Amino acid sequence: QSALTQPASVSGSPGQSITIACTGTSSDFVAYNYVSWYQQHPGKAPKVMIYDVSSRPSGISNRFSGSKSGNTASLTISGLQAEDEADYYCSSYELTGDVLFGGGTKLTVL
Amino acid sequence: QLQLQESGPGLVKPSETLSLTCTVSGGSISINSYYWGWVRQPPGKGLEWIGFVFYSGNTFYSPSLQSRLTISVDTSKNQFSLKLSSVTATDTSVYYCARHGTAYGYNDYFDYWGQGILVTVSS
Repeated sequence: QSALTQPASVSGSPGQSITIACTGTSSDFVAYNYVSWYQQHPGKAPKVMIYDVSSRPSGISNRFSGSKSGNTASLTISGLQAEDEADYYCSSYELTGDVLFGGGTKLTVL
Repeated sequence: QLQLQESGPGLVKPSETLSLTCTVSGGSISINSYYWGWVRQPPGKGLEWIGFVFYSGNTFYSPSLQSRLTISVDTSKNQFSLKLSSVTATDTSVYYCARHGTAYGYNDYFDYWGQGILVTVSS
């Protein structure tokens, strides 16, 4: 099964912007835009922040944005805030019906 | 407001079967637009998709788990269930139930999650 690769950690200071990359190897990941991003605080269930590469669910701050180029999807968080410190996971919904998750990226707000 | 709640034993012996149930409240499980799924997370590690069930009983399983996995649905109780056989210590995880849309390009993500239940495999 194809994997999604993310950096283990990223950090930034309050007010700055950070970007988390997610690299995929499946043909579905490259060809389609069924990529979502989840935020997970310690001890809590994940929460979707971005779906279909760049769409935000209702109630999600526009400080969160997504993009994709080729085999790499990216999540950008602008105007970093202390509450953004969390783990972030990319995910791909494959045409087979399978769901892939990246290994997760720990965001530290300095 | 839709709510999902996992239930089941928190401790399972090696080689036995792990069984969990997810109870859905605040909405019907018998909806065309959604799959009902399971995701797990070993302590300190990342998320792993386990599988989906549709209200009709159709299923999608992770290739790495499918030989040991059964996911079923009981629409009369608004519940769906997970059974994972022949467990080992590597199956120790927080298990989440969650709802996932069926429509690519529309609602193809997990939008509601349970709080998660820790299941430890140990003798």
